[in-house]
Amino acid sequence: NAGVTQTPKFQVLKTGQSMTLQCAQDMNHNSMYWYRQDPGMGLRLIYYSASEGTTDKGEVPNGYNVSRLNKREFSLRLESAAPSQTSVYFCASSVRQGAGQPQHFGDGTRLSIL
Amino acid sequence: AQSVTQLDSHVSVSEGTPVLLRCNYSSSYSPSLFWYVQHPNKGLQLLLKYTSAATLVKGINGFEAEFKKSETSFHLTKPSAHMSDAAEYFCVVSVSGGSYIPTFGRGTSLIVHP
Repeated sequence: NAGVTQTPKFQVLKTGQSMTLQCAQDMNHNSMYWYRQDPGMGLRLIYYSASEGTTDKGEVPNGYNVSRLNKREFSLRLESAAPSQTSVYFCASSVRQGAGQPQHFGDGTRLSIL
Repeated sequence: AQSVTQLDSHVSVSEGTPVLLRCNYSSSYSPSLFWYVQHPNKGLQLLLKYTSAATLVKGINGFEAEFKKSETSFHLTKPSAHMSDAAEYFCVVSVSGGSYIPTFGRGTSLIVHP
């Protein structure tokens, strides 16, 4: 049982390049999330999808787009990468959106933008 | 609105001694509270959660936390630290009455000395 799988694990981009981060979960969860983690900042929400067919902005959505491809998959796209987007990106899922719902996390994608 | 403050960015203990990681929260509604652990180069893993049942919550690996409404605190404790407990710990708050989106603390790095 893989849980939440993120690809790739590492990536180096040049400023202005585009890239899509992939995320898939096999737990039949309804809600999925994308976070970025920067030193001393905790996790900040970029976008989330409460259920298949819906997406909403989080705290730091500028420079990103998302697609909820189906119930299992939720991708994050950087259209024109900037050095400020150098970070570790985490995908998470939960059974549904709700205050008491724990999240399950992937192992992250470490992205460097030169 | 909701917020969470982890009072220590780093905590250093000796193996076999007690662990205390402090977390204070603020919320307009009854909160759900979580502690997650992150080992190096890994995603976050749920340690325990509080969702308005018993105020003393037991989690995995011998950790527990007590919800104190009067002090707006949810401190994480463990009686005896093990070397494998060295990791980053995140306190998270989520509330009903809003979008349920969780808010993460900035993290506490637990260092365990032999």
